[in-house]
Amino acid sequence: DGGITQSPKYLFRKEGQNVTLSCEQNLNHDAMYWYRQDPGQGLRLIYYSQIVNDFQKGDIAEGYSVSREKKESFPLTVTSAQKNPTAFYLCASSRASGRNYEQYFGPGTRLTVT
Amino acid sequence: GQNIDQPTEMTATEGAIVQINCTYQTSGFNGLFWYQQHAGEAPTFLSYNVLDGLEEKGRFSSFLSRSKGYSYLLLKELQMKDSASYLCAVSSDRGSTLGRLYFGRGTQLTVWP
Repeated sequence: DGGITQSPKYLFRKEGQNVTLSCEQNLNHDAMYWYRQDPGQGLRLIYYSQIVNDFQKGDIAEGYSVSREKKESFPLTVTSAQKNPTAFYLCASSRASGRNYEQYFGPGTRLTVT
Repeated sequence: GQNIDQPTEMTATEGAIVQINCTYQTSGFNGLFWYQQHAGEAPTFLSYNVLDGLEEKGRFSSFLSRSKGYSYLLLKELQMKDSASYLCAVSSDRGSTLGRLYFGRGTQLTVWP
């Protein structure tokens, strides 16, 4: 079955620690995206990648970093510089950026930092 | 900049019809998406409009007027399982942001028996 996997579903960390969220897709999609969702807010774009070894900042990239070494994988690191890291993180992919293909979402990772 | 506006909450009863509106002001436009999101789950695709008019898909329909910067999602014969957040998203047609989606805050729909 093709799809997007994110792991783990729930993640707990202490303040000051970096944490990496995993996102893998086997849909052969070129474009991948990371969003953050807070209560009462829509999805806000953190980073996106249109092709391997290339990525762009979204609207709220500060305190986050990404890599795109493989087409299938787009991990997100939440660094200690991110002031309010507790949130629901969603990864998505689409067939090709620049065209209007729908984005498919993973199940999300709920990160809690205390 | 991008501004996408939709109501925060709506309620309706089972079997009824509900219309969720979305207005947008964006610097570029290349289509509008509607997604459904149940609490704690991933958004799932409902519809896509790029030309003016109505797109019908079963109990769900979506309408677009590009000149007015306006769309709505129409849900008929409401069921309890339709209780969810409905997200309006606009696709950009500009430069390096081509294909990016800009999301509204979502409309939380509650369906009562």
